Amino acid sequence: SQTIHQWPATLVQPVGSPLSLECTVEGTSNPNLYWYRQAAGRGLQLLFYSVGIGQISSEVPQNLSASRPQDRQFILSSKKLLLSDSGFYLCAWTSRALSSPLHFGNGTRLTVT
Amino acid sequence: EDQVTQSPEALRLQEGESSSLNCSYTVSGLRGLFWYRQDPGKGPEFLFTLYSAGEEKEKERLKATLTKKESFLHITAPKPEDSATYLCAVQARGSGNTGKLIFGQGTTLQVKP
Repeated sequence: SQTIHQWPATLVQPVGSPLSLECTVEGTSNPNLYWYRQAAGRGLQLLFYSVGIGQISSEVPQNLSASRPQDRQFILSSKKLLLSDSGFYLCAWTSRALSSPLHFGNGTRLTVT
Repeated sequence: EDQVTQSPEALRLQEGESSSLNCSYTVSGLRGLFWYRQDPGKGPEFLFTLYSAGEEKEKERLKATLTKKESFLHITAPKPEDSATYLCAVQARGSGNTGKLIFGQGTTLQVKP
């Protein structure tokens, strides 16, 4: 069966510090991968998605970047965090079949102080 | 613009009191509509996919239905363990092979014993 791992679960970082969140998927190959952010009491906002190694699409202009160095690895980064980067970050994967559901990791709660 | 609106934002029920959650959508060609359950501090958990108007799916006390403009999540005789935030999302035909989902803001359900 497929599993998705996301870490760390919680993170407190000062303004201006770098960020690296990692996500890996097991039990599948060639997945589509996604980074979403969820602000308190709000829906999920798609940040980045990737349909293959090295292929990254950004949905919103922001202070973050994403990379996919391996087929089942997706990394969310920032060189200098802003207060507005605080939130709940979720990684997700789906198979290439049309209309396949997204499967989410358990998220990272990021607080920028 | 593709959009998903969920109502109500919050719903409080007594145990055993059945009700429905609404998800209204506007999308340029629906490929699929998805329901998720999200517990506090966790990633969303996939519940159902609906593809065409008239389709229904059931899982325990939950039943999802779909029309051309909205979907309902019916909760029959809810129990306290059904308390969670329920998210609705759509995938548009124009999303190509990206698998992108557009999420609503969610309905937070509280079931009191």
